[in-house]
Amino acid sequence: EPEVTQTPSHQVTQMGQEVILRCVPISNHLYFYWYRQILGQKVEFLVSFYNNEISEKSEIFDDQFSVERPDGSNFTLKIRSTKLEDSAMYFCASSNQQQPGYTFGSGTRLTVV
Amino acid sequence: AQSVTQLGSHVSVSEGALVLLRCNYSSSVPPYLFWYVQYPNQGLQLLLKYTSAATLVKGINGFEAEFKKSETSFHLTKPSAHMSDAAEYFCAVSDKTSGTYKYIFGTGTRLKVLA
Repeated sequence: EPEVTQTPSHQVTQMGQEVILRCVPISNHLYFYWYRQILGQKVEFLVSFYNNEISEKSEIFDDQFSVERPDGSNFTLKIRSTKLEDSAMYFCASSNQQQPGYTFGSGTRLTVV
Repeated sequence: AQSVTQLGSHVSVSEGALVLLRCNYSSSVPPYLFWYVQYPNQGLQLLLKYTSAATLVKGINGFEAEFKKSETSFHLTKPSAHMSDAAEYFCAVSDKTSGTYKYIFGTGTRLKVLA
């Protein structure tokens, strides 16, 4: 069964450093998403992306965050200057239609120290 | 705006007993509803989804959920718990208020299965 692949599975970074989280969506999918889950809390929507632009973003997705699809396969989330509170599990997801029900990756656990 | 409430952050059942995890939603339009399971240090796995077809939805691993519009509920059940069911379960509603289908998740219910 096709999967959404996220790398790395765990990343530790120093506060203030830039970090890039990588995702390879399912190959024929056109809609891409990032969610995050702070430890012990619920999963929250960050951003959706379609046709090489952001479709929607949440209040969490401030100027420190950006997304990009640099080539035909990768979808990245960049945090420009990480803060301690950015420590969370970040999930990528993709879908092939503009409808609910998409496939999540296994997540990247980001730890900011 | 849509929202989801999961009653009970922790539920314990004995192996072989009925599992009932509660989810109530709030939605101004017919909702799409989902249950996801998360095993420790793993991602989100779709258990089942309701997309306005049959109100009783069967999912993987023996789980099912019933959509009850009158009660605005979408409770998850399994007749007989297995040790391997121990995980965190998230109910979610799909929100399209701004043109994108995004999920609004509940706060999760951690299921513990006792031997």
